[in-house]
Amino acid sequence: AQTVTQSQPEMSVQEAETVTLSCTYDTSESDYYLFWYKQPPSRQMILVIRQEAYKQQNATENRFSVNFQKAAKSFSLKISDSQLGDAAMYFCALLLYNNNDMRFGAGTRLTVKP
Amino acid sequence: DAGVTQSPTHLIKTRGQQVTLRCSPKSGHDTVSWYQQALGQGPQFIFQYYEEEERQRGNFPDRFSGHQFPNYSSELNVNALLLGDSALYLCASGRWTVREQPQHFGDGTRLSIL
Repeated sequence: AQTVTQSQPEMSVQEAETVTLSCTYDTSESDYYLFWYKQPPSRQMILVIRQEAYKQQNATENRFSVNFQKAAKSFSLKISDSQLGDAAMYFCALLLYNNNDMRFGAGTRLTVKP
Repeated sequence: DAGVTQSPTHLIKTRGQQVTLRCSPKSGHDTVSWYQQALGQGPQFIFQYYEEEERQRGNFPDRFSGHQFPNYSSELNVNALLLGDSALYLCASGRWTVREQPQHFGDGTRLSIL
């Protein structure tokens, strides 16, 4: 069975500072995708960044980057130069190849202080 | 280009009733997945439809059923509603042949059971 664990229910960061959100996962498969989604109060899940497990290079999207450690089954999200609009729930998710059941963690609520 | 649209936005039902939620996928998408997100938790996969067939199902009872229409839109039906069915129901769409691309989510339907 696949599981995703986010051990930080809440995190806080000062505007313009950097914050890292943690995620660990468990699967016996070797081929999978990992995602970070953002869910603001508007409820829509918005893709922040994704990583293919076969790629060793960490994904980067503007101010967002990940630290993917496959052996440790760790997939953390770093947000640089935090902005007020980054405040939201952040979910880590795991999707196996040839499987449609995307598994989500319980989420981390990020607060950005002005 | 319209994204994923869901209706209704909110719904209040009583125990034992039946409910139907609707989803229109993003233009160009042919696959629809449904998720249940209980308060304070991450989304849980209910099932996925492609070519009007249920392709995969998560750990949900038969009270949860669905349908996909020739225009790729989808319905989620829940019978014999329980208090525990109160949740945000999210629809996500994608393309079956391009599974490595992330799904696009709608804003969800908030279902409250009294």
